[in-house]
Amino acid sequence: KNEVEQSPQNLTAQEGEFITINCSYSVGISALHWLQQHPGGGIVSLFMLSSGKKKHGRLIATINIQEKHSSLHITASHPRDSAVYICAVGEGWGNEKLTFGTGTRLTIIP
Amino acid sequence: GAVVSQHPSRVICKSGTSVKIECRSLDFQATTMFWYRQFPKQSLMLMATSNEGSKATYEQGVEKDKFLINHASLTLSTLTVTSAHPEDSSFYICSAVIEVRSSYNEQFFGPGTRLTVL
Repeated sequence: KNEVEQSPQNLTAQEGEFITINCSYSVGISALHWLQQHPGGGIVSLFMLSSGKKKHGRLIATINIQEKHSSLHITASHPRDSAVYICAVGEGWGNEKLTFGTGTRLTIIP
Repeated sequence: GAVVSQHPSRVICKSGTSVKIECRSLDFQATTMFWYRQFPKQSLMLMATSNEGSKATYEQGVEKDKFLINHASLTLSTLTVTSAHPEDSSFYICSAVIEVRSSYNEQFFGPGTRLTVL
């Protein structure tokens, strides 16, 4: 069974700061997901990646398959980025059962 | 991206009643849908895998007679919590899988349903 660990568990930063959230897993995977969950509970899929780097707006996700590690970066953070960010890994290409990390609660202070 | 909806978004019911939650893929067909449960301040836990036209596959420890799943069409899966009790109060989330191309699928999540059993 894959063990997924995220760090930090909680992160508070000032608006504008560069944010990094880390995710490590124990067993080789085919895909890693980064998800965003807002206080209301709804989940938004941010990225699915298996290698290299992806960028969408102010969000950047990287993955190192050899080191079993991924990072989510947020540039020029904004209070609306405040949410729980969840890393999830799977062993297939999207249609497989995911193992979730416990999440990182990010709070951006104006 | 593809849209997955859930209905209702919030439900409060009395102990002993049954509650049905719908998960719909709005603009794509999903052969596979997943049902998750999330307790406060905890991560998502997979309850079951729902495949269109066949019986759902439940994770260990999930009572299939308690949580009835029906995947009647390629765009709809339902989760029925039967004889709900306060310990069933939780946030239930579904996800749907779309085949983008051969050997490449993407998974999209619904907004979740918050169930409170009094």
